Amino acid sequence: GQNIDQPTEMTATEGAIVQINCTYQTSGFNGLFWYQQHAGEAPTFLSYNVLDGLEEKGRFSSFLSRSKGYSYLLLKELQMKDSASYLCAVMDSNYQLIWGAGTKLIIKP
Amino acid sequence: GAVVSQHPSRVICKSGTSVKIECRSLDFQATTMFWYRQFPKKSLMLMATSNEGSKATYEQGVEKDKFLINHASLTLSTLTVTSAHPEDSSFYICSARDREVTEAFFGQGTRLTVV
Repeated sequence: GQNIDQPTEMTATEGAIVQINCTYQTSGFNGLFWYQQHAGEAPTFLSYNVLDGLEEKGRFSSFLSRSKGYSYLLLKELQMKDSASYLCAVMDSNYQLIWGAGTKLIIKP
Repeated sequence: GAVVSQHPSRVICKSGTSVKIECRSLDFQATTMFWYRQFPKKSLMLMATSNEGSKATYEQGVEKDKFLINHASLTLSTLTVTSAHPEDSSFYICSARDREVTEAFFGQGTRLTVV
């Protein structure tokens, strides 16, 4: 079956760095997405990786290793507004998105 | 990124009535639209996938006669919750994708409360 695993909840301190991991097992691979979702709102796109390596975009970076079925989202210089759920999603061979359950990130002052 | 508009953002309806939710792609042609349901503190659950001009493909366990999906044009898809019951109360989100790109863009979501 297809499976996406990510931690349920993480806590970090304002100004610090946090890494949210995602491992996946899917039928085929056409890219991995990270989305941010604040409570009561729809997800917003953060990043897309289809090749191995690190993609940096401001304070957020996303890494992919296809051979290991592994990705992480790295958030630097954490701000209180970064408190949200972070969803990992993999596009399978049918171009369908398989979603992880999301990681709730709590930022403390 | 592209803009997807979903309306209404909130709706309260009585049990037994039907509710229609609209999802529009404003600046691109959405060849494929997805409808999701999200329970509190849970991830997105795909309900159905619709391609313009054809019948929607429903995920296992989703009642197609209860959740009617229409994707009559390249910019509009609708989800109608028929004969709504309190257990249908949830957050419904649409997303749209152009065949030329892989990223799906999300609507703002609709909070449905059935009383």
